[in-house]
Amino acid sequence: DTAVSQTPKYLVTQMGNDKSIKCEQNLGHDTMYWYKQDSKKFLKIMFSYNNKELIINETVPNRFSPKSPDKAHLNLHINSLELGDSAVYFCASKRQTNTEAFFGQGTRLTVV
Amino acid sequence: DQQVKQNSPSLSVQEGRISILNCDYTNSMFDYFLWYKKYPAEGPTFLISISSIKDKNEDGRFTVFLNKSAKHLSLHIVPSQPGDSAVYFCAASGYQTGANNLFFGTGTRLTVIP
Repeated sequence: DTAVSQTPKYLVTQMGNDKSIKCEQNLGHDTMYWYKQDSKKFLKIMFSYNNKELIINETVPNRFSPKSPDKAHLNLHINSLELGDSAVYFCASKRQTNTEAFFGQGTRLTVV
Repeated sequence: DQQVKQNSPSLSVQEGRISILNCDYTNSMFDYFLWYKKYPAEGPTFLISISSIKDKNEDGRFTVFLNKSAKHLSLHIVPSQPGDSAVYFCAASGYQTGANNLFFGTGTRLTVIP
């Protein structure tokens, strides 16, 4: 069983479209994350979310929004996609402070 | 502002020799450090970690060293094997840095030559 799964693995879409990437974890973790790996391979945190609070990286455009229907899911919605949004997006989860995070396989988003 | 830095984008090592990957951080509030390994088209996978109360943690062929005064940590792999070829990310976290966030370096691509 996959611990952290995200779908789709590949997503190609046109500029201006709205798209979602889904993430599910079956580890019972209470904190989930979205990371963006850009062309320079830098893994940058976008959001962290647990059942108490959402922390948004202030550099993330408000076109990006996380949606958490329950503790096991944190989906990423992106409105009005731009060319610069092309990247690999990773979902992750962890249990508590000072433990490791588990990552999904990534979603390669290509905006054309 | 990058709080975790890996200044060597790549490293090549002969099979059987030691691989040393380095990482520096700037935030003195970090108290937990991790190394992740990443293969192409896969997510990062956890390798080894160290708490700031220790200066060394060993797990098989992998050892992480922490020098708090220098804000520096390193990952030693010995002996290196071809299957170790991957990108290695250093990461750091700390309760006071907010919401259990993990801050990553830019990664070092390790190539182990058979």
